[in-house]
Amino acid sequence: TQLLEQSPQFLSIQEGENLTVYCNSSSVFSSLQWYRQEPGEGPVLLVTVVTGGEVKKLKRLTFQFGDARKDSSLHITAAQPGDTGLYLCAGTGTASKLTFGTGTRLQVTL
Amino acid sequence: GAGVSQSPSNKVTEKGKDVELRCDPISGHTALYWYRQRLGQGLEFLIYFQGNSAPDKSGLPSDRFSAERTGESVSTLTIQRTQQEDSAVYLCASSPVNRAYGYTFGSGTRLTVV
Repeated sequence: TQLLEQSPQFLSIQEGENLTVYCNSSSVFSSLQWYRQEPGEGPVLLVTVVTGGEVKKLKRLTFQFGDARKDSSLHITAAQPGDTGLYLCAGTGTASKLTFGTGTRLQVTL
Repeated sequence: GAGVSQSPSNKVTEKGKDVELRCDPISGHTALYWYRQRLGQGLEFLIYFQGNSAPDKSGLPSDRFSAERTGESVSTLTIQRTQQEDSAVYLCASSPVNRAYGYTFGSGTRLTVV
C-alpha cells in the first residue's frame, strides 16, 4: 500500500506570512498532484509534477517534486485569506488509482 | 457536461436502508473514481473504472458497497443496509486517459445515516 503523509496537519497563520506544506512517502510515484478543497466542494487540481527535482510556480505557490520522486512540497508566499482550505497531495504509482495524502488544513486570517 | 455532476447532493437515510448515489462524469473521460471523505479527513479510495476493463474494487470497505458503470458514462454507487459509520461525503471524479491532466471532482453527495 502506498501511503502519503502530509505535514503539518493544521496550520493557522496571518495574512502575509509564508508557509510550506510537506508530502512524504516511502514509495516512488510516477507523478504527483496537489489539490485544494474548499468546504462543500470537491478538490480542485492545482498542479501536476512528473519529473524528479521539478519545480513549478503558480503565482504565489511553488511546488517541488523530490529528486527520488517520493516527496513533494508546496510553498505559499505572502498567504492571503483566499488561500484558506484543505490542501491534498496525491500520487500515481504502480496502481492506476490516485492515492491521496492525509491533508493539510490551512487557515489564513487577516 | 461541463463538469462532474453528482446526485443527490445530500441524502439522509435510516440505518438499514439501501442508498444509491449517482455520478455523471465529463463526456469523453474514460476513467471514473469514487472516494469517501469522512468529516475532517482525507480521501479514501473506493473503486476505479477505466474504459471496458475490470474495475479496481480494492477500496470497497465491505460487501455492502458496490458500484456499476455503463460504458464510459454514468456510474452508481450502492450502499446496502446502511450503517452510521457510512456517514460521509462520497466524491466522484473523472479523468481522461492521460492522468497528468488530473482528476475533475464533483461536489459530492453528503450521506447521513440516522
